[in-house]
Amino acid sequence: DVKVTQSSRYLVKRTGEKVFLECVQDMDHENMFWYRQDPGLGLRLIYFSYDVKMKEKGDIPEGYSVSREKKERFSLILESASTNQTSMYLCASSLGLVEAFFGQGTRLTVV
Amino acid sequence: DQQVKQNSPSLSVQEGRISILNCDYTNSMFDYFLWYKKYPAEGPTFLISISSIKDKNEDGRFTVFLNKSAKHLSLHIVPSQPGDSAVYFCAAFNSFNKFYFGSGTKLNVKP
Repeated sequence: DVKVTQSSRYLVKRTGEKVFLECVQDMDHENMFWYRQDPGLGLRLIYFSYDVKMKEKGDIPEGYSVSREKKERFSLILESASTNQTSMYLCASSLGLVEAFFGQGTRLTVV
Repeated sequence: DQQVKQNSPSLSVQEGRISILNCDYTNSMFDYFLWYKKYPAEGPTFLISISSIKDKNEDGRFTVFLNKSAKHLSLHIVPSQPGDSAVYFCAAFNSFNKFYFGSGTKLNVKP
């Protein structure tokens, strides 16, 4: 079974803090994604990566950056957390044109 | 502008009846369409998919229909069961390795 693991289920951070969300997959997938889920807006793509050290902006990259130093790990970084970044963050991985496998999600609250 | 739209935020169905979830898309270049199911506090899980060269795919109680001329796909669940109660996301995949998701439809199957 493919496993996508996100480092935290729940996080509470203060405004202005630098926040790291980590994601690890164990199936040697090329593609990895970061989404955020908000009520009424569905899953919106923040960044994705199709190879080590490669990254592409998604639909809402502002305020975020990513890092992919190893194939299995894709990190999402909030440079200076703001309250409008309070959300559910979902990491996913896929191998080409097949379904994406998601982690369990990280509920981030910025106060 | 959302490329994948689910116009019904919620749907309520009696157990044993058919559930029909709808999805519209705007980009005729999508290669693949998928449905995901999401329970609260969990990541989405893959349910069923369809290639753009097909018009129907069936897997047990779940059938996905694709109408390319109308840029519309639908998920049929027959018979619906209380355990099917979840949020269902429609997704489309293109050759640029990006998944686009709809905003989700919350299905409630009443016993």
